[in-house]
Amino acid sequence: DVKVTQSSRYLVKRTGEKVFLECVQDMDHENMFWYRQDPGLGLRLIYFSYDVKMKEKGDIPEGYSVSREKKERFSLILESASTNQTSMYLCASGSTGTTTYEQYFGPGTRLTVT
Amino acid sequence: KQEVTQIPAALSVPEGENLVLNCSFTDSAIYNLQWFRQDPGKGLTSLLLIQSSQREQTSGRLNASLDKSSGRSTLYIAASQPGDSATYLCAVRESASYDKVIFGPGTSLSVIP
Repeated sequence: DVKVTQSSRYLVKRTGEKVFLECVQDMDHENMFWYRQDPGLGLRLIYFSYDVKMKEKGDIPEGYSVSREKKERFSLILESASTNQTSMYLCASGSTGTTTYEQYFGPGTRLTVT
Repeated sequence: KQEVTQIPAALSVPEGENLVLNCSFTDSAIYNLQWFRQDPGKGLTSLLLIQSSQREQTSGRLNASLDKSSGRSTLYIAASQPGDSATYLCAVRESASYDKVIFGPGTSLSVIP
């Protein structure tokens, strides 16, 4: 079974802090993704990566950056956390060798910025 | 711009009832459509994926249908159980690439014992 893990289930940070969210997958997938999920807005893509050290902006990249130094690990960075970044963050991974482009999701990190 | 909606936002049914969840999308030029389940505070679990050339997919008590021309998909759950209680999301993939996915807001289902 594909396993996608996220470093924290719940996180509380203060405004202005630098925040790191870590995601690890164990299926040797080339592609990894970060989404945020907010009530009434659905999931929105922040960034994705199709290879080590490669990244592409999604729909809402402002205020975020990412890092992918190893194939299995994809980090989301909030350089200076703000209250409007309070949200559920979901990481996903997927393989290039597929016609369905199916994604496998982690359990999520509930981030609260106070 | 593709928009995905799900109605109703919440649904409560007694155990054993058959039910239908709806997903609508505005642009019929889709690559595939996927239904997910999300338990409270958890990630997404894939239930069914329908390619644009298919009309339906079945897995156990679940059946998903796709009508591209009308911009609709339905998820049918037979003989509902309390363990089916969760939020169900549909996601439309617009093209053969990973980034062109639009998620609906979800329907929160509660099955009452």
